[in-house]
Amino acid sequence: GAGVSQSPSNKVTEKGKDVELRCDPISGHTALYWYRQSLGQGLEFLIYFQGNSAPDKSGLPSDRFSAERTGGSVSTLTIQRTQQEDSAVYLCASSSYRAAETQYFGPGTRLLVL
Amino acid sequence: AQKITQTQPGMFVQEKEAVTLDCTYDTSDPSYGLFWYKQPSSGEMIFLIYQGSYDQQNATEGRYSLNFQKARKSANLVISASQLGDSAMYFCAMRVKFGQGGSEKLVFGKGTKLTVNP
Repeated sequence: GAGVSQSPSNKVTEKGKDVELRCDPISGHTALYWYRQSLGQGLEFLIYFQGNSAPDKSGLPSDRFSAERTGGSVSTLTIQRTQQEDSAVYLCASSSYRAAETQYFGPGTRLLVL
Repeated sequence: AQKITQTQPGMFVQEKEAVTLDCTYDTSDPSYGLFWYKQPSSGEMIFLIYQGSYDQQNATEGRYSLNFQKARKSANLVISASQLGDSAMYFCAMRVKFGQGGSEKLVFGKGTKLTVNP
């Protein structure tokens, strides 16, 4: 498909377990973003990747969160030792300089930590 | 601080009528971008319209138009001829640059829930 894809679409895990969320951006988009959407906090920025450069991790809420991007394309967001407050929808977006840097979002991963 | 304010938690409109969703922003940067996204109950964020801070004309995309008043720092979304499928959450967002390396992100408002009545 032509859009941003994310997997899994839903994830239920037990407190203390690690989870990995995957994002496949639009082909040719050099910038990739992760956001979190929860009822209490709204939409929060987590991390920004531009090409193969080192990411800007300033939005990550704790050191339990990490992300990588392989080959300037697919990204994985990892949450270690999950807590109940990590329950949220995790949204990935990508953008291109050729399109006014508009961020196009994937369908999200709904994470529930029991 | 860079901030987006949407003061209408919920709005109602009759089918086929026009509706305006309010958005004000705060930034000291001369260069910024403003976006509107639609989020139906399915959860996906759908891009609707973009306005650059240096754009002279108000942006339009089909039934969507952006009423950009730079001096007032407002970027209201106007939906003409509302349809039942327009019922959704609508988010106003601003693209901001931050950090030393030219990082960027979107700052979102809290959203407005639009309900279109038949």
